[in-house]
This record gives sequence, C-alpha cells and structure tokens, in this order.
Amino acid sequence: GAVVSQHPSRVICKSGTSVKIECRSLDFQATTMFWYRQFPKQSLMLMATSNEGSKATYEQGVEKDKFLINHASLTLSTLTVTSAHPEDSSFYICSASEGLADTDTQYFGPGTRLTVL
Amino acid sequence: SQQGEEDPQALSIQEGENATMNCSYKTSINNLQWYRQNSGRGLVHLILIRSNEREKHSGRLRVTLDTSKKSSSLLITASRAADTASYFCATDGRNTGFQKLVFGTGTRLLVSP
Repeated sequence: GAVVSQHPSRVICKSGTSVKIECRSLDFQATTMFWYRQFPKQSLMLMATSNEGSKATYEQGVEKDKFLINHASLTLSTLTVTSAHPEDSSFYICSASEGLADTDTQYFGPGTRLTVL
Repeated sequence: SQQGEEDPQALSIQEGENATMNCSYKTSINNLQWYRQNSGRGLVHLILIRSNEREKHSGRLRVTLDTSKKSSSLLITASRAADTASYFCATDGRNTGFQKLVFGTGTRLLVSP
C-alpha cells in the first residue's frame, strides 16, 4: 500500500524559533497533500491543502504567514511553523493523495508531535 | 463548525463482543469514510461509502449510511484487543470541495482481553 512518511516524528523547540516538518510520499506521486493539526484527545482539523507547484490553500483561521507550506515536488511537502509559541504545540499530520477524484484515498503520515517550550 | 459528531465518545468492551460507533454530520456529502488512529499515530483508512450507497462490508467491518438522517454507523464484529484505537468518520462535502475531509470528534474504543 501507499506509504507516507513524516520527519521528524517528535520535535521540541524554544519559543520564537521556527520548525520545519517534512511529508513525503514514498511510493507514489502525490498530486495533493493536506496538513492537519490535532490537539490531545480531539479530532483532526484541516489546516491547508497544497498542490504541487502552486500556493497552498489555507482554511479559515489558519495564518498562512505563520504556517508556511511548500509543495516543491510530487513527493514532498513541508510545513514550517514560524516563530513557534507554546500554543502551537500539537500533533501535526499530513496526508497525500494521488489524484483529484473524490474517491481517491488520502494516505496519512505517522504524525509529528511538536512541543514548544 | 462543520465538524461532525460521533457517539459514544468512549466505548469499552470485551474481546469477542461487537462494537458500534455512530457518526452524524451536517452538510451534504459525496462520500463518508472511516479511519482508525492508534494512540499517537497517523490514521489508517478503513472504508469509504458513497452517498448513494446504504451499506458496505469489509472483513469484520460493516458501515451503514443514512443520508436522510445525515448519519453513519461503523460496526466491528468479534472485536479483538488489537482493535483498541480511536475511530473517526470523515466526510467529503459537496460544498467544501473534493477531498477536503471534515472529521468527526471520534470514538475511543477499548477492547479488553
């Protein structure tokens, strides 16, 4: 089956620093990648949708200047949390899809746990 | 909020018993999907049911969909300890665009040996 990896799996950083999270599709080309955030014992909330070679589309309430997304190739998308603060501490999960059809399955990465001190 | 709701929030059963989880959503949908998430991990896709389907099976999983009530249920039969996880429904809304998933609040299932 399709595999999506994320790196790093865990990161702890100081307040004010920036953190980059990578999302890779290992055995397929991902036309679209999605970034979600999940707080403890809560559901996933979509942050943004990115298509290779174009600007990401952000959900309402998500600051695009704070959460920079780059989808530079069909196998890699990055999320950079700029000037991180403790309230940004969360579990960040990406997913990737091969196509644009509504039945195309999204394959999820294992997640990255960000802790901002 | 567009987010759907699931009930129960938590479910504790013994191995061998059946587990039923319910999901309600708010908008018209193209499809509804169920995912499993083990603690601190990513999501695993379980099953997709289209808006024109009423029931679907996959192994020990049975999913029903009632679009008139905007609800779905996931039944896991003959549960195993390895089924312990959180289960989420996700809708792919006609109004939100293809592939943009809106997740429910989740049901935490605990299956005891």
